[in-house]
Amino acid sequence: DTGVSQDPRHKITKRGQNVTFRCDPISEHNRLYWYRQTLGQGPEFLTYFQNEAQLEKSRLLSDRFSAERPKGSFSTLEIQRTEQGDSAMYLCASSLGTWAAGGAGELFFGEGSRLTVL
Amino acid sequence: GNSVTQMEGPVTLSEEAFLTINCTYTATGYPSLFWYVQYPGEGLQLLLKATKADDKGSNKGFEATYRKETTSFHLEKGSVQVSDSAVYFCALSGGAQKLVFGQGTRLTINP
Repeated sequence: DTGVSQDPRHKITKRGQNVTFRCDPISEHNRLYWYRQTLGQGPEFLTYFQNEAQLEKSRLLSDRFSAERPKGSFSTLEIQRTEQGDSAMYLCASSLGTWAAGGAGELFFGEGSRLTVL
Repeated sequence: GNSVTQMEGPVTLSEEAFLTINCTYTATGYPSLFWYVQYPGEGLQLLLKATKADDKGSNKGFEATYRKETTSFHLEKGSVQVSDSAVYFCALSGGAQKLVFGQGTRLTINP
């Protein structure tokens, strides 16, 4: 399978604990995105990387959240001191950072990591 | 800022019915527009896109036309199938391929 993979698929944790999600993008993709999706809503942008550089962070990404992409390949999203409001599906997507024909805006999404904070 | 508003769901239709899911947007500049689909138990996947005004995107019998004058990108299909049951998201690209999504419309097709 050469798609975007995320791990774990589901994480249940107690409030106050730290959690980390991992995303492995499609291998030749230089851009990687994190989104958050709550029930009944569309995905909301959190942050994105071009290679290993984190180029933009949403205001949704509080200082309890940190994302890394150390070698420009896989990425991790860590949430410290989780709160019940962090319960959501965390989606990772990757793309080729080019506006060549057929590539404009096509993000390839993983199946997501669902976080439940008790 | 950029935003997308979708027709509220859920939408339930019979097989072979005509489908329209409305989508309007607010954006600065000239965004690209997309429809993504999420089938049960699967990740989001691109259904179709349009990159400039009056472009029509099409795929799997679905179509949507980029209407700059009405800031709309409505999704249509002439004859839906049970396998089209899914959640559909309208989105626009706000630069660096960063997508802004609507809230999604759940579609159920009954045989």
